[in-house]
Amino acid sequence: GENVEQHPSTLSVQEGDSAVIKCTYSDSASNYFPWYKQELGKGPQLIIDIRSNVGEKKDQRIAVTLNKTAKHFSLHITETQPEDSAVYFCAASVVGNSGYALNFGKGTSLLVTP
Amino acid sequence: SQTIHQWPATLVQPVGSPLSLECTVEGTSNPNLYWYRQAAGRGLQLLFYSVGIGQISSEVPQNLSASRPQDRQFILSSKKLLLSDSGFYLCAWSVNGEGTEAFFGQGTRLTVV
Repeated sequence: GENVEQHPSTLSVQEGDSAVIKCTYSDSASNYFPWYKQELGKGPQLIIDIRSNVGEKKDQRIAVTLNKTAKHFSLHITETQPEDSAVYFCAASVVGNSGYALNFGKGTSLLVTP
Repeated sequence: SQTIHQWPATLVQPVGSPLSLECTVEGTSNPNLYWYRQAAGRGLQLLFYSVGIGQISSEVPQNLSASRPQDRQFILSSKKLLLSDSGFYLCAWSVNGEGTEAFFGQGTRLTVV
């Protein structure tokens, strides 16, 4: 089955700096890669996703890059703000296969200090 | 629009007692449904998923079971809770047949004492 590794497990940055979280996956059939943000005591919420036919996707301060050959993808947050502090999860799955569920990394706890 | 409801939000149960957590989805038909557990290490562990009524796949052998008695209802149960069952339980749904974005409920914080 799919194995998703996520690094680092914790990340502390100063407000305004950039944050980068990296994930690797094992199943070459995976073609959908979402990123979730989880605030304390709440369920994860999707913030951005990318499919394997795209190498990079941006949404304001957030961007995701994908290297299918190397089987890794990354989340980039620029101009970080204190409200970006949360746990971030990467995941991988196969689009079009109802038998697949999202396989998550173990999460990165991001702290943005003022 | 689609919504997902999960309850209760918090639960404290003694060891050996039964468990029933319920999740319902509104605004969509025939969704994929999932139960995840999030232990202290923050990772999201897939426990069960269902692609239709009465169809349950278990990812990890454990003290828990799941049932889907109706199209948009997913129940997580245990006959006898263990201390190790403590954690944050999340229900989620996705569009059937796509394997894409999962929408999560707000979670249930279960503490077994």
